[in-house]
Parts: sequence; structure tokens; C-alpha cells
Amino acid sequence: DADVTQTPRNRITKTGKRIMLECSQTKGHDRMYWYRQDPGLGLRLIYYSFDVKDINKGEISDGYSVSRQAQAKFSLSLESAIPNQTALYFCATSDWGTSYSSYNEQFFGPGTRLTVL
Amino acid sequence: TQLLEQSPQFLSIQEGENLTVYCNSSSVFSSLQWYRQEPGEGPVLLVTVVTGGEVKKLKRLTFQFGDARKDSSLHITAAQPGDTGLYLCAGDSEGSGYALNFGKGTSLLVTP
Repeated sequence: DADVTQTPRNRITKTGKRIMLECSQTKGHDRMYWYRQDPGLGLRLIYYSFDVKDINKGEISDGYSVSRQAQAKFSLSLESAIPNQTALYFCATSDWGTSYSSYNEQFFGPGTRLTVL
Repeated sequence: TQLLEQSPQFLSIQEGENLTVYCNSSSVFSSLQWYRQEPGEGPVLLVTVVTGGEVKKLKRLTFQFGDARKDSSLHITAAQPGDTGLYLCAGDSEGSGYALNFGKGTSLLVTP
């Protein structure tokens, strides 16, 4: 079974709709991240969370919100989707800062391809 | 945000050829990672380099971290079609502790 799962894998929606992307992990990591990937722009950080009570904005958080429901679950919401939010979205986890890892090595889910019409 | 420049952006070669891709920055990194991403999948960690001048080998892949910890290279010997993918470098800057800075990637196509 995959360690980091994302649902849905593909989603087509219309402008103005509210969308939630979900991420679950079985790696037991405290740190979770949401990125978006656009052709020619690489991976950009949207939000990150160090634990259930610690959520922080990343480089491009405008238009997005997140919820950390449990250590294993981190959801990304688009309150009112717009076409320029069409992208690949990735969730990632890390155990950086623990006794098991001294480096911010990240483990990614398979991604969600979101299209906003 | 520290910029990581990767070159070349695209590379198309034939099976058996050697290649090198580069990752450069003006910033110092406490560690630098290389990931490979295949179509329809998320990036997968290949290696982490942390010491200036460090060289790590992973089968036919050789990774080097620059002496000043500002740049890195990935060399593939005798490329195979299975090496096809997007190669991303990511730096963890001194004291940032929270986010990786990703380069835009090198897209590699290896044809039989």
C-alpha cells in the first residue's frame, strides 16, 4: 500500500465551485506539505503543517485553505476555484527534526490533477 | 526564496549515452536533494548530499555537491529508457527548517 495517498486523482470543476483535495499518510510523520506544480514553474509550496496545531502559509497561499484533521490527514481547499488554479497538486510528508532524520527529505503522494473550467 | 537554476531544461538522448545535469544557486544549502518524477506520479527522492565536495553513487547515477554547497550535479552513465523522467533538485537553506526550494527540473528522454 502507498505511504502517502491523495484523493481524488483527477478532478474537473467549474469556476466558483468549492473543492477539497485530501491527503492521508501512514508514514507516521508529523510534517505535511501541499505543493502545486505548473509547467515551467516547478513545485511551489502552498501550506505546510508541523503538527495538528501548527499550520503555516507557504509561498502561494492566496485562494487556498487547509485543515489538519489528524496527524495522518491534511486537506487542501479551494474556496472558490478559478481557472489559474488548474495544476497538479502534491501532498508530501517529512520527519525532519526528529531523531530519525536530520534532513528535510520529503515523501510525495501521487498527485491530483485539477482542472478548473 | 533562494533560486535554484537547473540546466538543461530538456535533454533527449539515445540509450547508452552519458549525460550531466546541473543545479546552481547563489545561496548556500545545508543539504541538497535530487528527486525523479515520472509522468502521473509524485517526485521520488534519489539522494541527499550534505557535505561540500561530497560524491554519492546510486548504480549508474553519480551525484556531486559543490565545495561551497551552492551547486550540485547529476551524472548518468550509459543512460537507459528507464531513466526517462523529470529530475528535480531541492535545497534546504541554512536555518530555514521548513521548506525546500525546488528547481524547475530537467526533463530527460532516453530513446532505445
